[in-house]
Amino acid sequence: KQEVTQIPAALSVPEGENLVLNCSFTDSAIYNLQWFRQDPGKGLTSLLLIQSSQREQTSGRLNASLDKSSGRSTLYIAASQPGDSATYLCAVRGSGAGSYQLTFGKGTKLSVIP
Amino acid sequence: GAVVSQHPSWVICKSGTSVKIECRSLDFQATTMFWYRQFPKQSLMLMATSNEGSKATYEQGVEKDKFLINHASLTLSTLTVTSAHPEDSSFYICSADGQGQYEQYFGPGTRLTVT
Repeated sequence: KQEVTQIPAALSVPEGENLVLNCSFTDSAIYNLQWFRQDPGKGLTSLLLIQSSQREQTSGRLNASLDKSSGRSTLYIAASQPGDSATYLCAVRGSGAGSYQLTFGKGTKLSVIP
Repeated sequence: GAVVSQHPSWVICKSGTSVKIECRSLDFQATTMFWYRQFPKQSLMLMATSNEGSKATYEQGVEKDKFLINHASLTLSTLTVTSAHPEDSSFYICSADGQGQYEQYFGPGTRLTVT
């Protein structure tokens, strides 16, 4: 059974700092990996999706990397802003037949201090 | 594109009543939709996978008679919480499969409070 772990559980940084969020998964047979953002009491906003054949994806100040063989992904946020404060979730999708569901980590709660 | 809506966004009901939550894909057809539940400060837990025109597949530990799922069309899935109890209070989120990349698109969630 796939397990997804996110470290750290919470992170507080001053505005302007670059930061890295970590995600690890136990079964490397994945179809893709997604990073989401969730604001308190709200739904999920998809940030980046990395296919299993890709190594990284970039969108603005965000860069996500994937090392499928070692079961790791990182989300790099450059020049953090107070508006980046949210919980960041990592989720992997299995590649087996019928494995359509996503398995989520517990998230990293990020606070960017002005 | 790829917008998923949920209705209602929040609902309060009395213990013992039933509540229906709708999930719609607004600009695409979704043969597969998913229902998740999220307790405070916890991650999303998959409850069931819903395929259009067939019975939903429930995850282990989820009572299918309590959480009724209907996926009658390619743009609508509903979750009915029957005989709701306070322990059913949670944040329910649906998602729909997009085309090609197997990317799931998520709805904004429904906050259910059972008193």
